[in-house]
Amino acid sequence: RKEVEQDPGPFNVPEGATVAFNCTYSNSASQSFFWYRQDCRKEPKLLMSVYSSGNEDGRFTAQLNRASQYISLLIRDSKLSDSATYLCVVSQNTGGFKTIFGAGTRLFVKA
Amino acid sequence: EAGVTQFPSHSVIEKGQTVTLRCDPISGHDNLYWYRRVMGKEIKFLLHFVKESKQDESGMPNNRFLAERTGGTYSTLKVQPAELEDSGVYFCASSRQAGIYEQYFGPGTRLTVT
Repeated sequence: RKEVEQDPGPFNVPEGATVAFNCTYSNSASQSFFWYRQDCRKEPKLLMSVYSSGNEDGRFTAQLNRASQYISLLIRDSKLSDSATYLCVVSQNTGGFKTIFGAGTRLFVKA
Repeated sequence: EAGVTQFPSHSVIEKGQTVTLRCDPISGHDNLYWYRRVMGKEIKFLLHFVKESKQDESGMPNNRFLAERTGGTYSTLKVQPAELEDSGVYFCASSRQAGIYEQYFGPGTRLTVT
C-alpha cells in the first residue's frame, strides 16, 4: 500500500465546474500536509498548506481529517489555467523531515 | 530573490559512468532536499540536509548514490556507477525552515542512462 494515495484521475471538467480531489495517508504520525501543483514538465509549486481547521484561499479550499487520515482539495469555478497535476504531499518528522508525495491527479479544464 | 537552480538541466550518460548533479538553494535556506521522479511513478524523497548535515537519508536507493553539502550552501548528488534504472528527473528543493514550511523546487535535472 502506498503511503499517500490519491484519486487516479484524470478529471475532465468544463470551465466553471467545481472539482474535488481526495487523498489518504497511511502514517498517523504525519505532521504536515500540503497540496502542490505541477504543470507539464515543470517543477512542483506549493498551492496551499492544509491545516486541521481547514483553510481557504480564493477559489481553493483544503480540509484535513486526522482521524480518518484524509485530505481534500476543492476548486470552485474552475479556470482553464487550473489544468495541471495536483499533488498531495505529507511530511513526517523523522529527525529530519521526510516528504512523501502522492502520484498526483491530473485535471483538464475545457472551455 | 533567485530561485533554486540545478545543473545540468539534462544529462545523457552510459551505464557504468559517473554523473554529478548540482543544486544551488535559495540564499539563506538551511534546508535542502533531493527527490527523484522515475517515469510513470510518483516523486520520491531521497534525503534532507540541514546546513551541511544529513538529517534523513532514508530515501537514498543504494550506495551508488552520494549526496554532499559541504559548507552548507550548494549540494551535489553523485551517481557512481550509473544504472539504467537511475534514469528520471532529479529535483532539488530548499526551505528556510523544515516541517510546515513551503519547499521551493528547482527545475530538475533530467538524467538518461543508456
